[in-house]
Order: sequence, then structure tokens, then C-alpha cells
Amino acid sequence: DSGVTQTPKHLITATGQRVTLRCSPRSGDLSVYWYQQSLDQGLQFLIQYYNGEERAKGNILERFSAQQFPDLHSELNLSSLELGDSALYFCASSEGQGGYQPQHFGDGTRLSIL
Amino acid sequence: AQSVTQLGSHVSVSEGALVLLRCNYSSSVPPYLFWYVQYPNQGLQLLLKYTSAATLVKGINGFEAEFKKSETSFHLTKPSAHMSDAAEYFCAVSDRIQGAQKLVFGQGTRLTINP
Repeated sequence: DSGVTQTPKHLITATGQRVTLRCSPRSGDLSVYWYQQSLDQGLQFLIQYYNGEERAKGNILERFSAQQFPDLHSELNLSSLELGDSALYFCASSEGQGGYQPQHFGDGTRLSIL
Repeated sequence: AQSVTQLGSHVSVSEGALVLLRCNYSSSVPPYLFWYVQYPNQGLQLLLKYTSAATLVKGINGFEAEFKKSETSFHLTKPSAHMSDAAEYFCAVSDRIQGAQKLVFGQGTRLTINP
């Protein structure tokens, strides 16, 4: 058990819809990261938050947004969903922002767009 | 930008045999390197990390990896494979982005253990 909790585990929805994925980091971790895992793109970094502030953006679509709340949990919002958004979305957390600090991953949310 | 390449998308070994999963990195600065394992329907679990201390790093479940700067490699090994080692393995390097850090992953190597 990594200590990172993601909900829901599975999400099935239709094109054009909007969903929210939730992540609770490990106790004491201030950084939260979101990654997307798909068969064609592999594991791709989306966005990072540190102590409530956005710190880095990767290959995140404009239709996607995220935030980190004062209690440090984070939400990833995906809107105007397309078939290609079907993927496994992971949240990870780390104590700080140092590159030497390992990131601990949740079990992911599997998003299926019908 | 940093990157990693995992040689071999699939590796198959017999139970009890040596496991060798290859990872080469590209980095303009001393890298921080990680190996993660992903079991079916689960998240990524940290196996081990290299953060510029000892070049031979020991991890969980009997795995270890050796950092070789001259070869830009960070191969993962285990002396004797067990059926429970069947999973997908990812090598990753920490990359600086916009003043923060992100992990850049290889494409993964699926390890199959034959009885």
C-alpha cells in the first residue's frame, strides 16, 4: 500500500461528458503529480502541484484541468471527453519537489469513454 | 530533456534464472533514476532508486541495479526469478521542468516467468 488513494477505480462515460478524478496523497507529502498511461503513449506526465500551487505542466490538454486543495488532496477534471481520452490516470505524491525524492503512486483510475 | 530507453518490450525467463532488464538513460546532468514495477490492475510500486550515492543499489524483492555512467545504463537484475516477479517494469529518470521535477518513463518491459 503506497498510501496514495485514488477514486474512483473505474469510470465509464460517454463522449462529450465531464468527469472528476480524486487523489489523496500520502500523509506528509506536499507534492501531487498526475500521469496518464495509455497503450500508444505510455506513461506521460500531465501536471504537478506543490502545497496548493501549480508548479509544472506537461502534455496536458486544454480540456483538462486540476487543482490541489488546502487539505492537499487533488482533483483532475476532464471535460468534453473524446474516445482517445480512455486511459489509466495515475496520481503520485512526494514529500517535496526534489528530483531525488521518489514519487509514490496510487492504483489509478481507469477511464473508459464509450 | 532527460529520457530513458528500455531495451526489450518483452523478456521471458525460466523460474530460478537470472533476470536482466535493460535501461539506458540520456541526461545532461547527473541523473536521478528509478525502477518501478506494475502488477496487473495495480499502480506503480517503487523498486529502487539511484540518487548519486552508491552505484550498486539494492531494492525490494531481491532486485538490484547498477548505475554505470560510462555506459549511461541502469540495468535491473535479480539472481533468481520467481513466479511472483511476472509484471511490467518501468525505468524512469527525474527531469527538471519549469523549476519543478517530473518523471520520464521508458516504454516498459513485460517480464514473463516460465515454470
